[in-house]
Amino acid sequence: GAVVSQHPSRVICKSGTSVKIECRSLDFQATTMFWYRQFPKQSLMLMATSNEGSKATYEQGVEKDKFLINHASLTLSTLTVTSAHPEDSSFYICSARDPQGPLSYEQYFGPGTRLTVT
Amino acid sequence: AQKITQTQPGMFVQEKEAVTLDCTYDTSDPSYGLFWYKQPSSGEMIFLIYQGSYDQQNATEGRYSLNFQKARKSANLVISASQLGDSAMYFCAMWGSARQLTFGSGTQLTVLP
Repeated sequence: GAVVSQHPSRVICKSGTSVKIECRSLDFQATTMFWYRQFPKQSLMLMATSNEGSKATYEQGVEKDKFLINHASLTLSTLTVTSAHPEDSSFYICSARDPQGPLSYEQYFGPGTRLTVT
Repeated sequence: AQKITQTQPGMFVQEKEAVTLDCTYDTSDPSYGLFWYKQPSSGEMIFLIYQGSYDQQNATEGRYSLNFQKARKSANLVISASQLGDSAMYFCAMWGSARQLTFGSGTQLTVLP
């Protein structure tokens, strides 16, 4: 099946610094990738939809200047949390759609990145 | 707008028994898809089963089946012969014209030995 990787799996950073999270589709080309945030014991909340070669579409309430998303190639999207604060500590998950897959709706999820801001 | 409701924050089931996890949805889209995902404590999202809104038969995947009742807008997940490894958070999700997944709040399933 299709595989999506995320790096790093865990990161701890100091308040005020920036952190970049990578999401890669390993065996398919993903024209669309999605970024989610999940707080403990809560559901996944969509942050933004990332389309290759164009600007990301952010959900209401998500600061585009704080959460920078770049989808420069068909296999890589990055999420940069700028000037991170403790309240940004969360589990960040990416997913990718394989338009050529057997189920065009299906999203393949990365393993997630746990961000802790101290 | 589309909405997914999971009313069971937590469920317990005895090993080898069957369990039903409830999911209701609301959408005005004529065409949509319904998914169930399992999220163990490691955090990865594992796809379990899919049901298309026009599918006539209920979806099945091994021990998982989806009880799809379109008129009631429900898409309950049935897990047969529960195993200890089934203990996890389970999310119902829907894909529609907004071209994004909308998730329910989840159900934490605990399988008892």
